Amino acid sequence: AQSVSQHNHHVILSEAASLELGCNYSYGGTVNLFWYVQYPGQHLQLLLKYFSGDPLVKGIKGFEAEFIKSKFSFNLRKPSVQWSDTAEYFCAVSPYGGSQGNLIFGKGTKLSVKP
Amino acid sequence: DAGVTQSPTHLIKTRGQQVTLRCSPKSGHDTVSWYQQALGQGPQFIFQYYEEEERQRGNFPDRFSGHQFPNYSSELNVNALLLGDSALYLCASRWTALSGGYTFGSGTRLTVV
Repeated sequence: AQSVSQHNHHVILSEAASLELGCNYSYGGTVNLFWYVQYPGQHLQLLLKYFSGDPLVKGIKGFEAEFIKSKFSFNLRKPSVQWSDTAEYFCAVSPYGGSQGNLIFGKGTKLSVKP
Repeated sequence: DAGVTQSPTHLIKTRGQQVTLRCSPKSGHDTVSWYQQALGQGPQFIFQYYEEEERQRGNFPDRFSGHQFPNYSSELNVNALLLGDSALYLCASRWTALSGGYTFGSGTRLTVV
């Protein structure tokens, strides 16, 4: 069965620290990849997505992610976090070929940024 | 503003009852998916509707059913509620013709007692 693994359940950082959240998926075919963020009390919002092309994807709010096909990974990075980045982050995969495809989510990583 | 509207925001039901949750997709979106998010977990795909038909379904029992109306809005119905159905139910929409991620609503928090 297809699955998505997020390595860290809870990450605590100080402001200005660098961030990397791990995401691995298990699916042999082509996939579309997403990172969603859920700020406290708010709905899931799309941070960035990868469909094809340059494996380094830039998203909103200074986030980026790198797709490494050989490692089945799509890690999220940010050079310098801010207190406002405190949120829960979800990696999601959609098997390619279903333009109506569903999303398979990881369990999420809670990020707490200390001011 | 999420763009996707869900109602109600909170709901408490008794075990064995039936519940209907509603979703209005973002303007211009024609595909609606439903997800269940249990506490501490990522969202799990329930099913997806496009052109008023269920197109894909996740690993959920037949107690979970849905409907999509001509205006693209959708309902999720759950029969014979179990305590384990307590969760946040999310609706997500997209425009099938345009590549992109789904837009999610804020969800309906269902508590079964």
